[in-house]
Amino acid sequence: KAGVTQTPRYLIKTRGQQVTLSCSPISGHRSVSWYQQTPGQGLQFLFEYFSETQRNKGNFPGRFSGRQFSNSRSEMNVSTLELGDSALYLCASSWGLAGSYNEQFFGPGTRLTVL
Amino acid sequence: EDQVTQSPEALRLQEGESSSLNCSYTVSGLRGLFWYRQDPGKGPEFLFTLYSAGEEKEKERLKATLTKKESFLHITAPKPEDSATYLCAVQPGGYNKLIFGAGTRLAVHP
Repeated sequence: KAGVTQTPRYLIKTRGQQVTLSCSPISGHRSVSWYQQTPGQGLQFLFEYFSETQRNKGNFPGRFSGRQFSNSRSEMNVSTLELGDSALYLCASSWGLAGSYNEQFFGPGTRLTVL
Repeated sequence: EDQVTQSPEALRLQEGESSSLNCSYTVSGLRGLFWYRQDPGKGPEFLFTLYSAGEEKEKERLKATLTKKESFLHITAPKPEDSATYLCAVQPGGYNKLIFGAGTRLAVHP
């Protein structure tokens, strides 16, 4: 069974640009969550999508947004990039149904560098 | 406020020297506590989920336990390939948001 895939694996952007990251969950998983990982702040929750709807959102500015498609694939977008947005962006998938086992399985991440 | 604290920050062991990592937490309505392993440059790898106090789970040289306030990850007779960062996370009531601790960097030397 294929795991979570993320594309691209590496990105270099300059301040002020925008970026779109993609995530394909494990087959059958309907929930996709996004996390940001930095050396200073660790892993922080960005948002979660289930059945194309955002169910939960972390404490990040509106420049960070996402969406989910009918096949459960998800994208996240960061607009007007800042130097502090440099991080490893991780996507995690799970079955997502309330009350079910909801272990989250992570992809390899997208390393974003903002210059 | 929901919070996860892991200790120690870093741990150096000799091969075969058993030890434990600690994860203490405060959370409203714990739905689950998760342990992950993360190697440099990679995404976290799922290890265990614990749902209720008193629960224990084992996998090879690893054993995870849970109380009402903390969880322990016991590593028995570790090998160099166990070197990694071990992350603890809690899932509070409300879908799939995970709150992570800062992790414990484990180095096992031959």
